[in-house]
Amino acid sequence: QVQLQESGPGLVKPSQTLSLTCTVSSVSISSGYYWTWIRQHPGKGLEWIGYIYYSGSTYYNPSLQSRVTISINTSENQFSLKLSSVTAADTAVYYCARDKRLDYWGQGTLVTVSS
Amino acid sequence: EIVLTQSPGTLSLSPGERATLSCRASQTVSSLYLTWFQQKPGQAPRLLIYGAYSRATGIPDRFSGSGSGTDFTLTISRLEPEDFAVYYCQHYATPPYTFGQGTKLEIK
Repeated sequence: QVQLQESGPGLVKPSQTLSLTCTVSSVSISSGYYWTWIRQHPGKGLEWIGYIYYSGSTYYNPSLQSRVTISINTSENQFSLKLSSVTAADTAVYYCARDKRLDYWGQGTLVTVSS
Repeated sequence: EIVLTQSPGTLSLSPGERATLSCRASQTVSSLYLTWFQQKPGQAPRLLIYGAYSRATGIPDRFSGSGSGTDFTLTISRLEPEDFAVYYCQHYATPPYTFGQGTKLEIK
């Protein structure tokens, strides 16, 4: 059974960089899928952040493009999200998921931006 | 960017009734790239339908998807207590991939 697990700080100060890692189990991250980040503001809907292909190519939501970096670490079977210059508006539950179809999801991790 | 608009915002029904949820796209979306998700409080979304019509693994056959072009529908034939949740449509035709704003299915 494919599993994804997000990890990283639950609290980030304004203007700093949010960093999260998604660890993938039971499937190789190099097996040809897209690996995606999504977020959900408290009590709100879902926002697609971007993806990375196993080859390293990326696509980011234009609304976040200037601040987002998604990278992949095939040796650790992980992929990561960095979001720079965060504000309170970046407080959300962040999810990682497999592929464009989003067939497997992590449980999500709440990141709060506050001083 | 393709905008997906879901209706109604909230749907109040009783167990055993039929639910019909709508998702309208701002431009044509290939059926191949239209998905539906279910989200319960405190949980990650779960893939229900992909390719507009195909049920994901383990999804009961009371869930069905239909539609084409700009209009898509998720139908739950006979509501079970565990079906009351929020439902999202999403496309992955051309990036950025977007979600609808969700339909909350609540017990009447």
